Amino acid sequence: GAVVSQHPSWVICKSGTSVKIECRSLDFQATTMFWYRQFPKQSLMLMATSNEGSKATYEQGVEKDKFLINHASLTLSTLTVTSAHPEDSSFYICSARRAGGAGELFFGEGSRLTVL
Amino acid sequence: QKEVEQNSGPLSVPEGAIASLNCTYSDRGSQSFFWYRQYSGKSPELIMSIYSNGDKEDGRFTAQLNKASQYVSLLIRDSQPSDSATYLCAVFTGGGNKLTFGTGTQLKVEL
Repeated sequence: GAVVSQHPSWVICKSGTSVKIECRSLDFQATTMFWYRQFPKQSLMLMATSNEGSKATYEQGVEKDKFLINHASLTLSTLTVTSAHPEDSSFYICSARRAGGAGELFFGEGSRLTVL
Repeated sequence: QKEVEQNSGPLSVPEGAIASLNCTYSDRGSQSFFWYRQYSGKSPELIMSIYSNGDKEDGRFTAQLNKASQYVSLLIRDSQPSDSATYLCAVFTGGGNKLTFGTGTQLKVEL
C-alpha cells in the first residue's frame, strides 16, 4: 500500500515552455501533498505544501507564479513549471501524507526536468 | 544552526558490520522522526519512523530516539552492499506541518 505515482519520469523541454508534472496517490487519499526539488548531491528542498481544495503554501524564495500547484482532488496534485529556463532543470519529487495516517510521507518516483 | 543535521560521509563499513547513522535536530517540539533511503537518481524510500524515546526495531534496522538530547540514529545490522545509498533523516518541524530533511549521509558497504 501507500503508492504514489509521478508522471512523467523524464522530461526535456525548450527554454520558455511550460511543463506539467502529475502526482497521484494510487491506494490512499492524501489530504496534503508536498513538492520538493533536489539538485545534484544536495538534499531535498521543500518548495510548497498543497492541501486539497485550497491554495498551496510556498516556501520562502519559491515563486508561486512560476511554479503553479493545483490539488484538485484527494488523489491528484500537479506542478506546472511555467516559462522554464535552464536553471529550473532539477529533480522534482512529490510526496503525499495519508489521511488518518501516522504522518509519514510517501514519495513519488520523481521527475527529472531538463530545460535546454 | 540547521534544523536537521547529519554527517555527509561517506561512511564506509565492511559487509556484515553494523552501520551507525546519526542525526540531530534543533526543534525541541518535534514529535515525529523518519529515516529514508535514497539511491542515486531515485526518490526517497521510507525505512523507519519513530515517535517515542527508545529503540524501534524492524528487521536489520533499529531506530533510536533521544528527545532530551535531540538525537535520532539508525543502526543497520549485517550491512549488505545493497544498503549502499544515502540515508536521509527527516523531522516534522514548525508545529508538525513541515517535514525537514537533513543533507543525508552516504553509506558505502564494502565487500
